[in-house]
Amino acid sequence: GAVVSQHPSWVICKSGTSVKIECRSLDFQATTMFWYRQFPKQSLMLMATSNEGSKATYEQGVEKDKFLINHASLTLSTLTVTSAHPEDSSFYICSALRASAGNEQFFGPGTRLTVL
Amino acid sequence: DAKTTQPNSMESNEEEPVHLPCNHSTISGTDYIHWYRQLPSQGPEYVIHGLTSNVNNRMASLAIAEDRKSSTLILHRATLRDAAVYYCILRPENSGYALNFGKGTSLLVTP
Repeated sequence: GAVVSQHPSWVICKSGTSVKIECRSLDFQATTMFWYRQFPKQSLMLMATSNEGSKATYEQGVEKDKFLINHASLTLSTLTVTSAHPEDSSFYICSALRASAGNEQFFGPGTRLTVL
Repeated sequence: DAKTTQPNSMESNEEEPVHLPCNHSTISGTDYIHWYRQLPSQGPEYVIHGLTSNVNNRMASLAIAEDRKSSTLILHRATLRDAAVYYCILRPENSGYALNFGKGTSLLVTP
C-alpha cells in the first residue's frame, strides 16, 4: 500500500513553545491531507482538512491560529502547534488521499506530543 | 455520515476465529463499508472494504448482510498481533472527505 510518513514520531517540549509536525506522502501525490488528534482511550478526532495551495478547513472548535497548517506541495503538509500547553499533549495523526486509489485514505504512523 | 454501532470490546483466544460485528441500519445505497484497525500507538491501517458482496483478502474477510444493515469482519485465526481497535466506517465511493471514526471495538487476544 501507499506510504505516509510523519516526523517526528515523538516530541517533548516546554509550555509556550511551538512544535512543527511534518506529514509526507512518499510514493504518491496528495492534493488533500487530513490532520487528526487522539487523546488517550479515545477515538481519532478530525482537526482539519489540508488542501495543497489553499487554506486549510478547520473543524468546529479547532483554533486555526493555534494549529497552523501549511500544504505547500503535493507531498508535504505541516501542522504547527503554536504556544503549546499541556492540554495540547496528544497523538497527532495525518492521512493523505490517494486519488488514483479511489480516494482511499492512507495514514501516517502518528506523532506523540508531550507538553511539559 | 451514516452511523455505525460496534461493541466496545471483544476477547478472543489466539489461533481462533474472531467475528467482529457492525450495525449500520441507516446505510445509504452508495455507502461502502470500510474496516480499519489501529494497533497501539500507531496510525490506523486499512483492513478491507465492500459494497454488497462478501470480500476476502489476506488480512480478513468481510461478510455483508443481504439488507446491508450489518456486516461482520472475520479474522480467521487471531494472533497476538491482531490485538487492536477495529473501526467500521461507512463511506461513499471516491469520497474526498475524511474518514469519520467512531469508538470502534477493542479486540483483546489472549494466548
